[in-house]
Amino acid sequence: NAGVMQNPRHLVRRRGQEARLRCSPMKGHSHVYWYRQLPEEGLKFMVYLQKENIIDESGMPKERFSAEFPKEGPSILRIQQVVRGDSAAYFCASSPRLAGISYNEQFFGPGTRLTVL
Amino acid sequence: ILNVEQSPQSLHVQEGDSTNFTCSFPSSNFYALHWYRWETAKSPEALFVMTLNGDEKKKGRISATLNTKEGYSYLYIKGSQPEDSATYLCASTQGGSEKLVFGKGTKLTVNP
Repeated sequence: NAGVMQNPRHLVRRRGQEARLRCSPMKGHSHVYWYRQLPEEGLKFMVYLQKENIIDESGMPKERFSAEFPKEGPSILRIQQVVRGDSAAYFCASSPRLAGISYNEQFFGPGTRLTVL
Repeated sequence: ILNVEQSPQSLHVQEGDSTNFTCSFPSSNFYALHWYRWETAKSPEALFVMTLNGDEKKKGRISATLNTKEGYSYLYIKGSQPEDSATYLCASTQGGSEKLVFGKGTKLTVNP
């Protein structure tokens, strides 16, 4: 069973361009989470999605950032008009939704390192 | 606001030493505590998830305890090996929320 996959692993963009980060969850997982690690900071929650639904986007910046998890295909984190402050490592995690379990263990991908020039 | 703190920030030990580090979190509305092991350029690897006060989990030479009333968890590594060198992250969730709130991690270096 392949783990959580993210691509690209490294992405370089110039200021003002768009960045698209992809996340394929583990097989059988219907929940996806995005986290960001800014330089010298810990991992910070951005958004939680189930198939076709955004459940919690309390950690998403109000502008330029959006996320989706369509019925088919990977989850996409999209950053429009990138700025230097968006340079960070973006991690995706996935989890199953198990009946009778009061918590969901999250399995992480290797991350996408975004550099904005 | 949920704040998760880890100490120490970094730790250097010799091969064979046993070591431990601390994760503290707000105890109100606590739901679960997660420990991850994170090697450079790899994915964070889940070690333990604990929910109950007094929980103890063990995986090989690594074990963890949980005190939800006072809001702390300890991670222990017995007989450290160079391959244990990594950053150890803890994260907490509050009731009703799926989001993990992470500490900044403890970076462990085990010297041969």
